[in-house]
Amino acid sequence: IAGITQAPTSQILAAGRRMTLRCTQDMRHNAMYWYRQDLGLGLRLIHYSNTAGTTGKGEVPDGYSVSRANTDDFPLTLASAVPSQTSVYFCASSPFWDTGELFFGEGSRLTVL
Amino acid sequence: TQLLEQSPQFLSIQEGENLTVYCNSSSVFSSLQWYRQEPGEGPVLLVTVVTGGEVKKLKRLTFQFGDARKDSSLHITAAQTGDTGLYLCAGDVGSNYKLTFGKGTLLTVNP
Repeated sequence: IAGITQAPTSQILAAGRRMTLRCTQDMRHNAMYWYRQDLGLGLRLIHYSNTAGTTGKGEVPDGYSVSRANTDDFPLTLASAVPSQTSVYFCASSPFWDTGELFFGEGSRLTVL
Repeated sequence: TQLLEQSPQFLSIQEGENLTVYCNSSSVFSSLQWYRQEPGEGPVLLVTVVTGGEVKKLKRLTFQFGDARKDSSLHITAAQTGDTGLYLCAGDVGSNYKLTFGKGTLLTVNP
């Protein structure tokens, strides 16, 4: 089934550790996004990529980095995890960067202790 | 400051009832989307509205975009238990095409 695959589904991580959340899409969409969803704060954009080879900062980029080496993959890295990064992370894609019509993955639940 | 205010935050109704949820902003949106999110899953796009005053229908769901493109509403007729979920509105201000999401309305439809 075509769509977005995120991994891991769930992870518990010690503070200070490095963590990469993986995101792969097979729809050949140009744009990809990482959001975090927190109770009371809603969905907030971390980083985005309008097309392969380019990335940009969203609303809450600090402590996170991304890369977009090809069309399909958009990993999100936490260089040194902190408890405030405990959240549910959603990867999304869109056929074009200038549309609000996003397709979301199932999410990765990350707990930083 | 929340760019998109959704109300009510929570709504619990009986099956068969009608309901309306709202999405309001002081900013003008070039387009506005409605998503539904079920527990443990990612949001799923329901509709996009672009033109001020536009009305779109999706089965029992009716979406309206305000004339000034600052607000939107979602009306559900004869709600069913399968309508239970978190309803999110999202929009981009101007032309940066980076979506801002409201905090959502959590709808529970009881049998």
